[in-house]
Amino acid sequence: EAQVTQNPRYLITVTGKKLTVTCSQNMNHEYMSWYRQDPGLGLRQIYYSMNVEVTDKGDVPEGYKVSRKEKRNFPLILESPSPNQTSLYFCASSLRTDYEQYFGPGTRLTVT
Amino acid sequence: AQSVTQLDSQVPVFEEAPVELRCNYSSSVSVYLFWYVQYPNQGLQLLLKYLSGSTLVKGINGFEAEFNKSQTSFHLRKPSAHISDTAEYFCAVSRGSDMRFGAGTRLTVKP
Repeated sequence: EAQVTQNPRYLITVTGKKLTVTCSQNMNHEYMSWYRQDPGLGLRQIYYSMNVEVTDKGDVPEGYKVSRKEKRNFPLILESPSPNQTSLYFCASSLRTDYEQYFGPGTRLTVT
Repeated sequence: AQSVTQLDSQVPVFEEAPVELRCNYSSSVSVYLFWYVQYPNQGLQLLLKYLSGSTLVKGINGFEAEFNKSQTSFHLRKPSAHISDTAEYFCAVSRGSDMRFGAGTRLTVKP
């Protein structure tokens, strides 16, 4: 089954404790992206990757890092999480940068 | 860069009533347009998309949208709402690597 998986689905952590949210897709898509969803703001792009070893900033990259060492994986790293990063995070992938995106189920992160 | 405005944050309707969710976009170049649906506690799913060609596009679950270039709009419609349509709907516009989403419209269908 074609899908995008994210782990963990739920995470509660404390300020400053490094964490990684994993994202994997099995559709051989070149383009992958991370978004955060906040009430009233819709989805905002954090980072995206057009291919292996190619990443770029989206609209809200501050406080986040990503890497793309393999085509299927695109982890999101928070080196020192802060409470304003409490949000719902989605990973997505697509065949091309401007085609429809396939979304993971989301990761709800709470930073206290 | 393009931007997307969803004109209604909430749309309540009764079952079997028609539905219209409004979306306007701004862009100086040609773009691709999408509607996604998010059911509670789930990720986003594609409802329909406009890439080129016919301005009336049909999607899943009986939804359709019309691309209006002169009014820069891409409104989503359904002739008869069902309880199961209750969800959040997002309009999105893309050009190259730039994908923008609207703030979302919460559709509530009441019995």
